[in-house]
Amino acid sequence: RKEVEQDPGPFNVPEGATVAFNCTYSNSASQSFFWYRQDCRKEPKLLMSVYSSGNEDGRFTAQLNRASQYISLLIRDSKLSDSATYLCVVNTPGNTPLVFGKGTRLSVIA
Amino acid sequence: EPEVTQTPSHQVTQMGQEVILRCVPISNHLYFYWYRQILGQKVEFLVSFYNNEISEKSEIFDDQFSVERPDGSNFTLKIRSTKLEDSAMYFCASSERRTGQTLGTQYFGPGTRLTVL
Repeated sequence: RKEVEQDPGPFNVPEGATVAFNCTYSNSASQSFFWYRQDCRKEPKLLMSVYSSGNEDGRFTAQLNRASQYISLLIRDSKLSDSATYLCVVNTPGNTPLVFGKGTRLSVIA
Repeated sequence: EPEVTQTPSHQVTQMGQEVILRCVPISNHLYFYWYRQILGQKVEFLVSFYNNEISEKSEIFDDQFSVERPDGSNFTLKIRSTKLEDSAMYFCASSERRTGQTLGTQYFGPGTRLTVL
């Protein structure tokens, strides 16, 4: 079983659309959760951390469901510049490695 | 804004050769990491380094790999005898504190693309 699973996409959406990505993780001991964004052939960049109560940063909303071991990312009012691969990332307490999903590719079309 | 830097951006080498990938972490960070990403695959952890020693390593990080902090600013990854399957993007990352703690966010450098022929 993969540690972090994501729908690879691609998600092709028009500008202004709302799009949601889902992610599941296998290690129930995971405590830290993140969404990173990766542009083609570039480094991963932190988009937002995901907190138990859910959190919002502008057009981006992240949710965590520990019981289902499920994380989501909602992007509202999509912009062309949102086109990228979105990486679901988890970390287990006491360990330093980040565990990455393979990513979900988003293309926002004019 | 401070950032992690890496050199070179692209390294081409022959199979069996040694390569050294260099990184300059963010100056006040104490934890350093190497990850790799084979084209089309996920980002994979190689090794973490703290207080001048390896704190964790993955099964990918075998005897062919080593890391060093030769001075107060550089953090290097050495591959002793490269194989074709070592071709990948290698990312260095650093964090101020341990991942999971406040200020534990890992910031990634732009990567070195290693091509082994």
